Amino acid sequence: QVQLVESGGGVVQPGGSLRLSCAASGFTFSSYGMHWVRQAPGKGLEWVAFIRYDGSNKYYADSVKGRFTISRDNSKNTLYLQMNSLRAEDTAVYYCAKESYIAAAGRGAFDIWGQGTMVTVSS
Amino acid sequence: EIVLTQSPDFQSVTPKEKVTITCRASQSIGSSLHWYQQKPDQSPKLLIKYASQSISGVPSRFSGSGSGTDFTLTINSLEAEDAATYYCHQSSSLPLTFGGGTKVEIK
Repeated sequence: QVQLVESGGGVVQPGGSLRLSCAASGFTFSSYGMHWVRQAPGKGLEWVAFIRYDGSNKYYADSVKGRFTISRDNSKNTLYLQMNSLRAEDTAVYYCAKESYIAAAGRGAFDIWGQGTMVTVSS
Repeated sequence: EIVLTQSPDFQSVTPKEKVTITCRASQSIGSSLHWYQQKPDQSPKLLIKYASQSISGVPSRFSGSGSGTDFTLTINSLEAEDAATYYCHQSSSLPLTFGGGTKVEIK
């Protein structure tokens, strides 16, 4: 079945780094744009970053621009989020999400979500 | 940035009642508006895409309407399993944004 499984979350000190992974299965990963969305404890959803199906374009929320990097390895069916210079306000559950149609280029709905991985930034 | 304003923030509803949630965009987004349901400790689930397009496997009591700046999610004949928080999301322009959410509680 179509599935996304995140990993890599944990507790990190302010200023530290983490790399999240999102393993995809059950669909042609290399044909779809992918997103990261986060949710702070008790709060709503916040879009973080997008990458085109071929990795040629990447877009970020202002809140993470210059600190986070989205990437993908289509040979491994895996999406990544490298998070540097982490701040307390980055504490959240991070979800990866698939776009709803091929070549949506960031304009699609999110039809498949992972279960999320928790990132806690605290000293 | 396009701001999405949902109302109400919270709604307590009796089973079989009709629920209406609105989402207003700060500028026109055409039909690039999607609705999600999130139950406690679960990931969001896509309910409606492009304002009114149904999603396979989603009960028919869920429907969406609207275009431009004003959108509505309707739940006809609410069931106990519909207790959740509902979010709208616009994909018209970057940065992508979400509404603040509407929590639906079952009385």
